[in-house]
Amino acid sequence: AQKVTQAQTEISVVEKEDVTLDCVYETRDTTYYLFWYKQPPSGELVFLIRRNSFDEQNEISGRYSWNFQKSTSSFNFTITASQVVDSAVYFCALDNQGGKLIFGQGTELSVKP
Amino acid sequence: DGGITQSPKYLFRKEGQNVTLSCEQNLNHDAMYWYRQDPGQGLRLIYYSQIVNDFQKGDIAEGYSVSREKKESFPLTVTSAQKNPTAFYLCASSPGRAHQPQHFGDGTRLSIL
Repeated sequence: AQKVTQAQTEISVVEKEDVTLDCVYETRDTTYYLFWYKQPPSGELVFLIRRNSFDEQNEISGRYSWNFQKSTSSFNFTITASQVVDSAVYFCALDNQGGKLIFGQGTELSVKP
Repeated sequence: DGGITQSPKYLFRKEGQNVTLSCEQNLNHDAMYWYRQDPGQGLRLIYYSQIVNDFQKGDIAEGYSVSREKKESFPLTVTSAQKNPTAFYLCASSPGRAHQPQHFGDGTRLSIL
């Protein structure tokens, strides 16, 4: 069975703090892709990153970084020096069937000034 | 600008009534998807289509129907058989090649009168 778990339902931080959003996945496939999406209050999901199962290199994009570890089936997302504009719901998702995404429950991040 | 347009933004349904949610994309994407989002939950796949005149059921297709007569359009009908239709509905599209990121619309919020 395929499953994505985001155990943190809500996180609240103060601006400029670093915050890590956890994502744990389950799949029996050896080839799969993992995604992170951001859902601001306006409602649409915004694509942040895609990672395939053969590439375990960590990635950094500005204040965002991602830590992919196959050994623990985790794909965690860190925001450095958080800002109020980072407040949103963040979803981790698994794709191993050519386009059918399996989403986690989402983590609602609130960054207070 | 290219993107996905969902309409209406808010929709109200009376008991026993069918309603149709519109989704149009001008990204020239082959694949389109419909998701349902309930409070505090991730997105669940209702239907998806990888090519015109073809579509497949997702995880929660009961009480819903779709059509894909044109590449750019993928309307979703919520039928009276769907007993708990109150939710946020998101439409997405992707190029259709395996594992490509999906692009999302702004969503339609459906409520029962």
